[in-house]
Amino acid sequence: RKEVEQDPGPFNVPEGATVAFNCTYSNSASQSFFWYRQDCRKEPKLLMSVYSSGNEDGRFTAQLNRASQYISLLIRDSKLSDSATYLCVVPTGNQFYFGTGTSLTVIP
Amino acid sequence: NAGVTQTPKFQVLKTGQSMTLQCAQDMNHEYMSWYRQDPGMGLRLIHYSVGAGITDQGEVPNGYNVSRSTTEDFPLRLLSAAPSQTSVYFCASSSADEQFFGPGTRLTVL
Repeated sequence: RKEVEQDPGPFNVPEGATVAFNCTYSNSASQSFFWYRQDCRKEPKLLMSVYSSGNEDGRFTAQLNRASQYISLLIRDSKLSDSATYLCVVPTGNQFYFGTGTSLTVIP
Repeated sequence: NAGVTQTPKFQVLKTGQSMTLQCAQDMNHEYMSWYRQDPGMGLRLIHYSVGAGITDQGEVPNGYNVSRSTTEDFPLRLLSAAPSQTSVYFCASSSADEQFFGPGTRLTVL
């Protein structure tokens, strides 16, 4: 089983829509979780960190479900500029494990 | 602050050639790492270092060597390039809460 698994999508949503991505992880001892955003042909950049049950930053909400070992990212009122690939990252020991990423395209 | 810098941005090699991908950071982070990113595979860890003089293997270390003689620099060496090493390579430098990535090196091995 992979350390981190994501639905690759693609998700194509209209502007203003709400969209949610899920990510499952295999190591129940993991304590911190991250969502990164990666634009086409660019490096990943940190979007949100999750250390307890969840985190909210404007239109973005990340939630953690330890019992089921998954984290989710909710984007409300989608903007064209939200189009990107969203990567779930789970540190385990000295290594950071990345999901394959979920592709989002917001359509005018 | 330049953050994390990588050189070169693009490189084409022939099978069997060797080269070194350079990575430097100016944030005084102890932890640095190298990833490769292939379509449909996400980022996979090649090697990482928790401080000067300390390196360890990640998920896909074969064909790559690293060294960490200073806190700032973490070069990745390909001793004998193979077409399977065609990929985008990212170097990252980490604080406790965040990884900062360089802009990437796009490598093609013919």
